[in-house]
Amino acid sequence: EAQVTQNPRYLITVTGKKLTVTCSQNMNHEYMSWYRQDPGLGLRQIYYSMNVEVTDKGDVPEGYKVSRKEKRNFPLILESPSPNQTSLYFCASSPLGGSEAFFGQGTRLTVV
Amino acid sequence: GESVGLHLPTLSVQEGDNSIINCAYSNSASDYFIWYKQESGKGPQFIIDIRSNMDKRQGQRVTVLLNKTVKHLSLQIAATQPGDSAVYFCAEINSGGSNYKLTFGKGTLLTVNP
Repeated sequence: EAQVTQNPRYLITVTGKKLTVTCSQNMNHEYMSWYRQDPGLGLRQIYYSMNVEVTDKGDVPEGYKVSRKEKRNFPLILESPSPNQTSLYFCASSPLGGSEAFFGQGTRLTVV
Repeated sequence: GESVGLHLPTLSVQEGDNSIINCAYSNSASDYFIWYKQESGKGPQFIIDIRSNMDKRQGQRVTVLLNKTVKHLSLQIAATQPGDSAVYFCAEINSGGSNYKLTFGKGTLLTVNP
């Protein structure tokens, strides 16, 4: 089954404790991206990647890092999480040149 | 008081009526415009897209209209059903040069009353 898998689905952590949210897709898509969703603000892009070893900042990259060492995986790293990073995070993938993005189920992160 | 920015635009319709959800976009250079549906507790799901050189596209019970003159996109849902209740996002893709960017609007909450 074609899918984007994020882990964990829920996470509560403390300020400053490094964490990684994993994202994996099995559709051989070139394009992967991370979004955060906050009430009334829609989906805002954090980082995106157009292929292996190619990553770029989205609209709200501060406080986040990503890597793309393999085509299928695109982890989101918070080196020192802060409470303003409490949000619902989505990973998405799509073929380059295509219009349909496939989303993961989301990761609800709470930073206390 | 609450910030206006925390409130999603909402649309409430009766089951069986037609729904029209609107979206204004800003980037004239976008190649594709897309509608996504997000049900509670799930990730967004693709509904329909339209290329920038078209003005109308129809799917099953849905029609997307693109008016490039006023930078306006709309989604029409025919015979709306309770299962259509969700947040609907418009999105645009800009693939100019070596870049490829998918940007979302803020969303509209559609509630279908039985």
